[in-house]
Amino acid sequence: DSGVTQTPKHLITATGQRVTLRCSPRSGDLSVYWYQQSLDQGLQFLIQYYNGEERAKGNILERFSAQQFPDLHSELNLSSLELGDSALYFCASSVEGTSTGEQFFGPGTRLTVL
Amino acid sequence: QQQVKQSPQSLIVQKGGISIINCAYENTAFDYFPWYQQFPGKGPALLIAIRPDVSEKKEGRFTISFNKSAKQFSLHIMDSQPGDSATYFCAATWNYGQNFVFGPGTRLSVLP
Repeated sequence: DSGVTQTPKHLITATGQRVTLRCSPRSGDLSVYWYQQSLDQGLQFLIQYYNGEERAKGNILERFSAQQFPDLHSELNLSSLELGDSALYFCASSVEGTSTGEQFFGPGTRLTVL
Repeated sequence: QQQVKQSPQSLIVQKGGISIINCAYENTAFDYFPWYQQFPGKGPALLIAIRPDVSEKKEGRFTISFNKSAKQFSLHIMDSQPGDSATYFCAATWNYGQNFVFGPGTRLSVLP
């Protein structure tokens, strides 16, 4: 158990809908990362937050948005969903300022868009 | 320049064999090189990591070899077991973990 929690574990929805994925980082970790992993694909970095502020942006679609709240949990909002958005979405957290910045991954949310 | 290249994309090895996965980078600012292991349906987890001032690090059956001049590093899995079947990601980070880059991954299958 990495200490990172993600809810829900599974999500099934229809095209055009909007969903929210939630992530709680490990205690003490200020940085949160979101990744998308489609079937047989690598980890596509979406976005990073550090202590409530956006730190880095990857290949995140304009239909997607995220935020990190004062209690450090983060939410990833996916709107106008398309079939191609079906994927595993991982959240990871890390303690920055250490010599490694190791990322700890949550169990993921499996999103199925029908 | 912030990319990490990884090969092969997939690898099939017999039980007891040696699995070798290679990665290469360009950015000399990278100062920490971790490998992550991901089982199907699970999140990636840190397997082993190395710093560029060390040429080799071994933990059990897993060894990282690092060639700073060539800007390459590799993961060797000795006596590969079916339980090692997973996807392996190399990664690189710098600036105390503020910047983190993953390779595209290698799917390893170890046949019984």
